[in-house]
Amino acid sequence: ELKVEQNPLFLSMQEGKNYTIYCNYSTTSDRLYWYRQDPGKSLESLFVLLSNGAVKQEGRLMASLDTKARLSTLHITAAVHDLSATYFCAVADGGATNKLIFGTGTLLAVQP
Amino acid sequence: NAGVMQNPRHLVRRRGQEARLRCSPMKGHSHVYWYRQLPEEGLKFMVYLQKENIIDESGMPKERFSAEFPKEGPSILRIQQVVRGDSAAYFCASSPLAQLLYEQYFGPGTRLTVT
Repeated sequence: ELKVEQNPLFLSMQEGKNYTIYCNYSTTSDRLYWYRQDPGKSLESLFVLLSNGAVKQEGRLMASLDTKARLSTLHITAAVHDLSATYFCAVADGGATNKLIFGTGTLLAVQP
Repeated sequence: NAGVMQNPRHLVRRRGQEARLRCSPMKGHSHVYWYRQLPEEGLKFMVYLQKENIIDESGMPKERFSAEFPKEGPSILRIQQVVRGDSAAYFCASSPLAQLLYEQYFGPGTRLTVT
């Protein structure tokens, strides 16, 4: 059974600082997603990572995937308050259904 | 091209009532997934449907919950005799196909509150 673990669960950071969120998963998968969720809102797709060594960047966020280590990271550079949200990673289960298995989420609070 | 639509956006039910949640997939998408998000938790898979077929319901509670995706019309998630523990946000996602190549697109969610 595919399990996805995310850490930290909560991250309080100051504006301008850098930090990394980690996402580990237990079985092989070739597709990993990062989502952002604001309170009371739906999921906003940030990145789709398809292959080992994939790296994608958008603004202050950069995501990478190491399929051998079954690890993805979401790196935040020079955080700003607007990045405050909950971030989820999700791994596609593959097989016939391609259902997504989500991590527990990381609540990011960027303090001025 | 309209995105995934869900209604209602907010639903309040008393214990013992029925809740019906609707999901209209994106145009051209024939695969629908339902996920539930309990307060302060991540999303958990409930059920995956294609038109007129339930393909995987491994995440559905054994009792009171059912889902359908008829040939015409939206997908429906039905919860009978709701209890307070059913209070959650219910998201549906649609995809053109279930293969890894195709991303799922999420709707805005229905927030169910059971009083």
